[in-house]
Amino acid sequence: DAGITQSPRHKVTETGTPVTLRCHQTENHRYMYWYRQDPGHGLRLIHYSYGVKDTDKGEVSDGYSVSRSKTEDFLLTLESATSSQTSVYFCAISESLYRYTEAFFGQGTRLTVV
Amino acid sequence: TQLLEQSPQFLSIQEGENLTVYCNSSSVFSSLQWYRQEPGEGPVLLVTVVTGGEVKKLKRLTFQFGDARKDSSLHITAAQPGDTGLYLCAGSPNSGNTPLVFGKGTRLSVIA
Repeated sequence: DAGITQSPRHKVTETGTPVTLRCHQTENHRYMYWYRQDPGHGLRLIHYSYGVKDTDKGEVSDGYSVSRSKTEDFLLTLESATSSQTSVYFCAISESLYRYTEAFFGQGTRLTVV
Repeated sequence: TQLLEQSPQFLSIQEGENLTVYCNSSSVFSSLQWYRQEPGEGPVLLVTVVTGGEVKKLKRLTFQFGDARKDSSLHITAAQPGDTGLYLCAGSPNSGNTPLVFGKGTRLSVIA
């Protein structure tokens, strides 16, 4: 199994509070991604990183920010959580964006905003 | 707009039956991938198809990429309860050098 650890695995937070989710990899892969998974919507890309301090927006980036200060860590921050951000968040990694490249996923973080 | 449309959304069958799930797009993809996701876990890659018309087999699973590289199918022969899960297709649109986009998935339940 690819070495990807997401923390926390579960979190309940109140509306308006900041929340940070962490993704840690031991594979030294260049690319890291944050997806959210919701019923009826599938997996949607939030942000991704193509190197230390290099990030780009995905399909549903509003309300989220990311940071990558080390190759192995990719943080997702909800500056002020809203109920619409209740979801399961997955971190993924890949060696490249090249079309044959496999994406490896973490086990997910279930976030509930009340 | 969803680039990848999967059908059916839900499928419940008896053990031993055959089934096919579909992944369709109006866009051309340089390759398509199929992942399977079990409850409480992240998706895991099953196969990547890259050539139009390509057929790949993985035990009882047969994957096909359409000739025009706009669609793909997954056929399962003699389904088993262990096949239960969410099947996702994914691909890189345009030149292929962009992050994967995913379909909404087909949730399969195989009843013993």
